[in-house]
Amino acid sequence: QVQLQESGPRLVKPSETLSLTCTVSGDSISPYYWTWIRQPPGKGLEWIGHIFHSGTTTYNPSFKSRLTISLDTSKNQLSLKLNSVSAADTAIYYCAGDRFMSAWSYYWGQGTLVTVSS
Amino acid sequence: EIVLTQSPGTLSLSPGERATLSCRASQSVFSTFLAWYQQKPGQAPRLLIYGIYNRAAGIPDRFSGSGSGTDFTLTISRLEPEDFAMYYCQYSDDSRHSTFGPGTKVDIK
Repeated sequence: QVQLQESGPRLVKPSETLSLTCTVSGDSISPYYWTWIRQPPGKGLEWIGHIFHSGTTTYNPSFKSRLTISLDTSKNQLSLKLNSVSAADTAIYYCAGDRFMSAWSYYWGQGTLVTVSS
Repeated sequence: EIVLTQSPGTLSLSPGERATLSCRASQSVFSTFLAWYQQKPGQAPRLLIYGIYNRAAGIPDRFSGSGSGTDFTLTISRLEPEDFAMYYCQYSDDSRHSTFGPGTKVDIK
């Protein structure tokens, strides 16, 4: 059974970089499609971006050049870095994945709330 | 960029009733990359339906998906107490950009 666990700082200052790691257990990270999704408190889901097992990424254009998603196959982890954060980036961040498609995600982490505040 | 609209915003029903949730795309969708998720408070979303019609592993057959073009539907044939939750649709285009609808809350009448 594939399990995902997000980790990283829960509090980030405005203008700094939000960095999260998702550790995958139960299978190799390599054959899967991985996605980051966020959810502001009390609001809906927002797609952040995908990374494919090849390392190819697709990002939500609304994040412009602030976003980097990467894989570390040696650690069975994926990561998210979001630069120049503001209060609008306060959200629960989820990593998610699927064995067959990037268009949906069967496996989800529990999510981690990241608050942007000074 | 396709925008998804879900209706109604809230659906108030009783256990045993049929729930029909709508997801409408701002322009016609030519791929089958449409999925539905259920989310309960404090939990991550759970994949229910993928590829418009297909139930994810472990999903009861009271959940079904349908639709084409711009209109898609999630139907829960007979609501069980555990089905009262938020439901989101998700669409991915051919360039692998994805978007979620705003959600429909199914609550107990």
